[in-house]
Amino acid sequence: EDQVTQSPEALRLQEGESSSLNCSYTVSGLRGLFWYRQDPGKGPEFLFTLYSAGEEKEKERLKATLTKKESFLHITAPKPEDSATYLCAVDSGGYQKVTFGTGTKLQVIP
Amino acid sequence: ETGVTQTPRHLVMGMTNKKSLKCEQHLGHNAMYWYKQSAKKPLELMFVYNFKEQTENNSVPSRFSPECPNSSHLFLHLHTLQPEDSALYLCASSLNSGSADTQYFGPGTRLTVL
Repeated sequence: EDQVTQSPEALRLQEGESSSLNCSYTVSGLRGLFWYRQDPGKGPEFLFTLYSAGEEKEKERLKATLTKKESFLHITAPKPEDSATYLCAVDSGGYQKVTFGTGTKLQVIP
Repeated sequence: ETGVTQTPRHLVMGMTNKKSLKCEQHLGHNAMYWYKQSAKKPLELMFVYNFKEQTENNSVPSRFSPECPNSSHLFLHLHTLQPEDSALYLCASSLNSGSADTQYFGPGTRLTVL
């Protein structure tokens, strides 16, 4: 059974304090790993898709990386508007079977 | 983001009511999904439709009944729900199912069952 574990569950940062969120996964065969951002009461907003180990993608202060066992979402010099829950999901094949983690709730304090 | 819209945004219903959730996507996608999101739990896939055909029913109770009249519209009909069904119901779409296409989500319907 596919498993996705995100850590930490919650993270509190001072504005400008860089850090990383972790997504560890166990799947039979990875076809894609997705990162989403979710604000309270809203649907997840797509950030990145990574397909193979060694791949990296960047968007503003966010950078996502992928290895054979885990993915990191690096946040450089975060701002209060980066506060949200960040979700990781993996697609392991089958007929669109995507497994989500429980998310990391990030709070950035001014 | 108006790619995937959902109505209503909030719904309160009694256990004996019948209501429907609506989802519409404007992205030209062929696959649509219903998810349930409860506090402290990962998103739970409920139903998948590809080209209007249901391809996945993740052991969802029969009090939830999906309908997909075309590739742009998806409904979730609700009847005789239980309080534990209270959650955020999310609709998503992707280019196709069966491949690692990115899913794009709507804003969700916050459902409260009294």
